[in-house]
Amino acid sequence: GAGVSQSPSNKVTEKGKDVELRCDPISGHTALYWYRQSLGQGLEFLIYFQGNSAPDKSGLPSDRFSAERTGGSVSTLTIQRTQQEDSAVYLCASSYVAGGQNEQFFGPGTRLTVL
Amino acid sequence: EDQVTQSPEALRLQEGESSSLNCSYTVSGLRGLFWYRQDPGKGPEFLFTLYSAGEEKEKERLKATLTKKESFLHITAPKPEDSATYLCAVAGGGGADGLTFGKGTHLIIQP
Repeated sequence: GAGVSQSPSNKVTEKGKDVELRCDPISGHTALYWYRQSLGQGLEFLIYFQGNSAPDKSGLPSDRFSAERTGGSVSTLTIQRTQQEDSAVYLCASSYVAGGQNEQFFGPGTRLTVL
Repeated sequence: EDQVTQSPEALRLQEGESSSLNCSYTVSGLRGLFWYRQDPGKGPEFLFTLYSAGEEKEKERLKATLTKKESFLHITAPKPEDSATYLCAVAGGGGADGLTFGKGTHLIIQP
C-alpha cells in the first residue's frame, strides 16, 4: 500500500518568507508526527497529532512554527518568517495508533533551504 | 530528559566482515527502542522494535538485542547493499509520543 507522502520534496526560500510543508499519512493511521533533521544532528521531534485531539507541541523550537491537521488526515507544517537556521530536512511519520511504543513510518522528507 | 548515544559514528567493513553497532540510552521508563535504516536522500525505514531487556529480533543479516542500558545491532556477513546510516531511537515514559533519536552510525560495506 501507499506509504507516507510529503510535498514538496525540495523547497528553496528567502529569509523572512513563510513556507508550508505538506504530509499525507498512511491511510488508517491515526497518529502523525513531524521531525526535523539538520546536518550533523539527529532527528528532532517537533509536534504530534492523535486523531482530533489537541496536538502535542512540546518540540516546536519557536512560535514561528505551527502545524495543523485537517479531518484527522493531511497535515501542514508552517514556518513563518524563515531564518537560515531553519534549513533542514523536515520528516513526517505516522503510526496506526498513538503510543510511543508503536512503530512510526516515515515519509521521504522535504528539504528546506533558506537563503 | 531522554538521551540516545550511538557508536561508532562511522564504520567501514569489508563484505562478509561481521560487526555490531551500539546504542546507549537513558530514559525514564522505556516504552520501546527502535532501529531504523536511512539511505541518502530518503526517510528512515523501520527495522525493529524492542520492548524489554533480553528481547532479540532478527531480519535477514540483522539482529537487534536489548539490555537495560543499551541495544546492539549485529550485522552478520554484510553485503554492500547494507551500506546506510542506522538510527536508534527511544520512546520514554515522559508522556510525549515523539521519539528521541541518536545521531546514527554511518555504515559502509566495501565489496
